[in-house]
Amino acid sequence: AQKVTQAQTEISVVEKEDVTLDCVYETRDTTYYLFWYKQPPSGELVFLIRRNSFDEQNEISGRYSWNFQKSTSSFNFTITASQVVDSAVYFCALSEGSGGSNYKLTFGKGTLLTVNP
Amino acid sequence: SQTIHQWPATLVQPVGSPLSLECTVEGTSNPNLYWYRQAAGRGLQLLFYSVGIGQISSEVPQNLSASRPQDRQFILSSKKLLLSDSGFYLCAWSSAGGLHEQYFGPGTRLTVT
Repeated sequence: AQKVTQAQTEISVVEKEDVTLDCVYETRDTTYYLFWYKQPPSGELVFLIRRNSFDEQNEISGRYSWNFQKSTSSFNFTITASQVVDSAVYFCALSEGSGGSNYKLTFGKGTLLTVNP
Repeated sequence: SQTIHQWPATLVQPVGSPLSLECTVEGTSNPNLYWYRQAAGRGLQLLFYSVGIGQISSEVPQNLSASRPQDRQFILSSKKLLLSDSGFYLCAWSSAGGLHEQYFGPGTRLTVT
């Protein structure tokens, strides 16, 4: 069975600090997909990124970067020069690519990030 | 572009009353549709998913049911609400045969009193 672990329940930083959110996953499939979502106080989950299991290239988007390492089953998310608007709950998620067409996501329990001015 | 709507945004209902939450998607055809519940403590629980009209799969036995009367409409219902049904209900869609990511609606905050 697939599983996603976000060991950090809450993180608090001061604005402009860099912060890394950890995500460790478990799956028996060789084809799978990893995701990060942001849930601001308004409640709506916002899709940030998808990575495929066969593409370990790290990705950078502005102040956001993602480090995917299959050897350690990790998909960590770093925010550089954090801002107050980054305050939110961040979820890591996993879907397995084999079988079915429903593509169910398994979510971690989320990390609450608070960026203080 | 695709958009997803949910209503109502908030709802306060007494125990034992019925429930109907609606979700509609625009700008796509034959999407996969999902209902999640997020209780206090943040965890997201998948309740139902649907890959087509009239096709509903339940993930967790409970007091709720779901229906998909039209391609882009997904309804979450209950005949008699329980206190434990309180929570934040999120609808999501993904492309059938697509790249797996799900896109979420704004959610409905349900309080059962």
